[in-house]
Amino acid sequence: RKEVEQDPGPFNVPEGATVAFNCTYSNSASQSFFWYRQDCRKEPKLLMSVYSSGNEDGRFTAQLNRASQYISLLIRDSKLSDSATYLCVSGSANAGGTSYGKLTFGQGTILTVHP
Amino acid sequence: GAVVSQHPSWVICKSGTSVKIECRSLDFQATTMFWYRQFPKQSLMLMATSNEGSKATYEQGVEKDKFLINHASLTLSTLTVTSAHPEDSSFYICSARTSLVRTGELFFGEGSRLTVL
Repeated sequence: RKEVEQDPGPFNVPEGATVAFNCTYSNSASQSFFWYRQDCRKEPKLLMSVYSSGNEDGRFTAQLNRASQYISLLIRDSKLSDSATYLCVSGSANAGGTSYGKLTFGQGTILTVHP
Repeated sequence: GAVVSQHPSWVICKSGTSVKIECRSLDFQATTMFWYRQFPKQSLMLMATSNEGSKATYEQGVEKDKFLINHASLTLSTLTVTSAHPEDSSFYICSARTSLVRTGELFFGEGSRLTVL
């Protein structure tokens, strides 16, 4: 079983649509969670961190359910520029240890927003 | 913000040759750098953790003698793919952190695309 699992999609949605991505993680010791965005043939870029209380950044809302080991990302009012692969990521939290900052990536969910 | 630079961004080489990829932190001192590999349509997989001044820690299944990592300074880590073969063709990405960066908010290099003929 993969440590971080995502539905690879692809999701094809029209502009203005709302789309939701889900992710599960298996390592209950994971302490930090993120959504990264990766454009084709580029490096991943941090989209947002995910907190237990849920957090919102403009059109993007992330949720974390530690009991279910489940993470979600909601994108409202999709734009053409949102087309990318969205990576669900968990991070270690052994501060000061060599694994501090180690990230585990999901396979990614492909989103295509069309006119 | 912090910037991590990789070089070369792409390289094509013949089977059996060695290729060196550099990862530099441009405006901060990186105590730890991570090397990832990404095959087409797959996720980034951590290969190794590179700590300045000490030996790298390799993930299970990654051959340390094939993927040589050197982190001799606080701004530079190198990954050398020795005796490269076509199956080593992949997208190699480094990331770096300082003690000031919270877990996960790492800075990624632009990636290096290796094609072995």
